[in-house]
Amino acid sequence: NAGVTQTPKFQVLKTGQSMTLQCAQDMNHEYMSWYRQDPGMGLRLIHYSVGAGITDQGEVPNGYNVSRSTTEDFPLRLLSAAPSQTSVYFCASSYSGGGNEQFFGPGTRLTVL
Amino acid sequence: GQQLNQSPQSMFIQEGEDVSMNCTSSSIFNTWLWYKQDPGEGPVLLIALYKAGELTSNGRLTAQFGITRKDSFLNISASIPSDVGIYFCAGQLVSPQGGSEKLVFGKGTKLTVNP
Repeated sequence: NAGVTQTPKFQVLKTGQSMTLQCAQDMNHEYMSWYRQDPGMGLRLIHYSVGAGITDQGEVPNGYNVSRSTTEDFPLRLLSAAPSQTSVYFCASSYSGGGNEQFFGPGTRLTVL
Repeated sequence: GQQLNQSPQSMFIQEGEDVSMNCTSSSIFNTWLWYKQDPGEGPVLLIALYKAGELTSNGRLTAQFGITRKDSFLNISASIPSDVGIYFCAGQLVSPQGGSEKLVFGKGTKLTVNP
């Protein structure tokens, strides 16, 4: 199993540009989530999904959209990037529920100029 | 939002020393998880705790789920250079409606081990 994969690993955007961060898992996990990590802030939940077709907001959802059309994929979209979205983004998945062991991807380091 | 207070924020220790870090909250948690993050990598689960009072070990690591369900600690014994990294606690909140709740993460403890 590849586990949780994320692409790209690094990305630089200009303010106002849009992009999609990709996340995929091959463990047949129902629960998937996106976090952002900023220095001194720990991990903050952006959006999560408890299964295909179901998504919900986390702690810091503004400026981000998600969809879950398949069990395997959970892309994160930035519609109009802002410098405040400069961060490291992690995707995670677990068999069921946020409280179960979550497996994290390697992260995407995003810089918005 | 819910907050976890993780301390200390950073630690600088000598190889061979024991380490202790903890997380506290005013909220009650169903589950406590401890993760380690190496530079440039995603967090990796170290220990999961599911019952109040539970004490669990994983090699040189020991973690406990506080009896009040509002705190947890992680101990590392006889530290080695590869213990360097950021350690995060995470808790799953009790949901009055039932069902799974989101994880809340502490801000992390950065551990430096001097050989």
